Amino acid sequence: SQQGEEDPQALSIQEGENATMNCSYKTSINNLQWYRQNSGRGLVHLILIRSNEREKHSGRLRVTLDTSKKSSSLLITASRAADTASYFCATLSGTYKYIFGTGTRLKVLA
Amino acid sequence: KAGVTQTPRYLIKTRGQQVTLSCSPISGHRSVSWYQQTPGQGLQFLFEYFSETQRNKGNFPGRFSGRQFSNSRSEMNVSTLELGDSALYLCASSSHAGQGVSPLHFGNGTRLTVT
Repeated sequence: SQQGEEDPQALSIQEGENATMNCSYKTSINNLQWYRQNSGRGLVHLILIRSNEREKHSGRLRVTLDTSKKSSSLLITASRAADTASYFCATLSGTYKYIFGTGTRLKVLA
Repeated sequence: KAGVTQTPRYLIKTRGQQVTLSCSPISGHRSVSWYQQTPGQGLQFLFEYFSETQRNKGNFPGRFSGRQFSNSRSEMNVSTLELGDSALYLCASSSHAGQGVSPLHFGNGTRLTVT
């Protein structure tokens, strides 16, 4: 099935530490979005990075995009227990069809 | 503004039965897409509708179908349920999904269990 690959699959850190997760695709990436999902609930949009951008910041989030490597990374600084969730990247494949990554499960220990 | 509403929240069905799931998008959003989420396959695209027209469909058998009404509300139907259809079904709405820059707004999903 078409999916982006994310690593690590799971990440456990202490509160206050930074969390980095990576996303890569086999197909070309244009605009890329990151989402968060709390257990058993819907996804929440975090940030969009356009294909002509290399880096973008939003609060404690920093996203990078390398279209030549078909990859992106999400950095969450100064993690909090409330950041515990799964994180997914997503990009359009063809028309009107988003392809999501496999997800990174982040656990932030208080 | 109310968010995306999916009903029902939970469903338990038996193999061979059929099921209909409902999604009400954010007011003003005309694009509605559906995803199946399972632990093994992750999030898989089912289909996308805009103004009552299906614009794209994922790689799912014909047992999976959907439609969108003139008020943008959408339903998806799964006929002849199989055990492997057990999943969280997520609906997302967007002002327009074509350029990849409009965020998807997700409902909390319908958890379908097939026994």
